[in-house]
Amino acid sequence: DAGVTQSPTHLIKTRGQQVTLRCSPKSGHDTVSWYQQALGQGPQFIFQYYEEEERQRGNFPDRFSGHQFPNYSSELNVNALLLGDSALYLCASSLADRGLSQYFGPGTRLTVT
Amino acid sequence: AQKVTQAQTEISVVEKEDVTLDCVYETRDTTYYLFWYKQPPSGELVFLIRRNSFDEQNEISGRYSWNFQKSTSSFNFTITASQVVDSAVYFCAPRPWAGSYQLTFGKGTKLSVIP
Repeated sequence: DAGVTQSPTHLIKTRGQQVTLRCSPKSGHDTVSWYQQALGQGPQFIFQYYEEEERQRGNFPDRFSGHQFPNYSSELNVNALLLGDSALYLCASSLADRGLSQYFGPGTRLTVT
Repeated sequence: AQKVTQAQTEISVVEKEDVTLDCVYETRDTTYYLFWYKQPPSGELVFLIRRNSFDEQNEISGRYSWNFQKSTSSFNFTITASQVVDSAVYFCAPRPWAGSYQLTFGKGTKLSVIP
């Protein structure tokens, strides 16, 4: 049973650039959430996708956008990168109709220089 | 809005000692979920437990046990006979029963188990 997978594992970008992170949910799951975790902090909710639409959004600027595909996989896009966007980006999947536990992937470590 | 306080920033114990991780939460919701996650050095958040706010029964799973006290808004986690593999950052996170899907994480408690 495949768990949540994310790619790439690590990424280094320059300030002002754009980045795309990818996530494949756990087998059987149809909902994907994205979280940002700065060093030494707990994860912060960015947004959640269900049925290819953004269902809920946290307190993040419009530079952060996402997409969900028909196979339930998802992308997180960040435009005009800032140094403060350096963080571990975590993807979590769950089953919408049960709205229960979210299962996390290994994360993508983004460094902005 | 929900808030979590994990007052213990870092804890060190010697292997085989018992350790309790404290979690105090704030919520305006009358019903909600509470979660515990473990984050080992590899970075992946590992789901440990989910509780419903209307079920205050304590739970034991192997060396892990959870004490939920709704009256004091606490959901504490105890590891019995700790092992080196328990070394990780532990997060408590509430989530509303309905209307919101986001988990609210605190800063976590870093547990170091020394052999």
